Amino acid sequence: QVQLVESGGGVVQPGGSLRLSCAASGFTFSSYGMHWVRQAPGKGLEWVAFIRYDGSNKYYADSVKGRFTISRDNSKNTLYLQMNSLRAEDTAVYYCAKVGRPTVGDDAFDIWGQGTMVTVSS
Amino acid sequence: AIRMTQSPSSFSASTGDRVTITCRASQGISSYLAWYQQKPGKAPKLLIYAASTLQSGVPSRFSGSGSGTDFTLTISCLQSEDFATYYCQQYYSYSYTFGQGTKLEIK
Repeated sequence: QVQLVESGGGVVQPGGSLRLSCAASGFTFSSYGMHWVRQAPGKGLEWVAFIRYDGSNKYYADSVKGRFTISRDNSKNTLYLQMNSLRAEDTAVYYCAKVGRPTVGDDAFDIWGQGTMVTVSS
Repeated sequence: AIRMTQSPSSFSASTGDRVTITCRASQGISSYLAWYQQKPGKAPKLLIYAASTLQSGVPSRFSGSGSGTDFTLTISCLQSEDFATYYCQQYYSYSYTFGQGTKLEIK
């Protein structure tokens, strides 16, 4: 079945770095755009970043631009989020999510992972 | 960035009720709108995309309408499993903004 599994979360000090991974299975990963979305404790959903199916274009929320980098390895069916210069306000559950239709960016997120928690604290 | 505003922010209803949640975009987004349901401790689940298309496997009591700037999600006959938080989201622009959420609680 179609599945996304995040990993790599944990506790990190302010200013530190962390890399999240999202392992995909059950679909042709290399044909679909992918997103990262986060949710701070008790808060709503915030889109973080998007990468096209072939990695040719990437887009970021203003709140993470210049600090976070989205990437993918289609040979490993894995999505990544490199997070640098972390701040307390980056504390959240981070979800990866798949675009509904192949090769497009303008579509809803039809499959989500279970999320991985990132805590930025000294 | 396009802002998405949902109303109400929270709502109490009873099983069997018909409920409507509204979502307004700060600029026109055609029909590039999705609705998600989220239960505590779980990932969001896609309910509706393209403003009115029901995602496969979602019960027909859920429906969506609207285009441009004003959208609605309607649940025709609330079931116990529908008490959750609902989010609208635009995917018209590369900011993929979510609404602030509507928490639907049991009266």
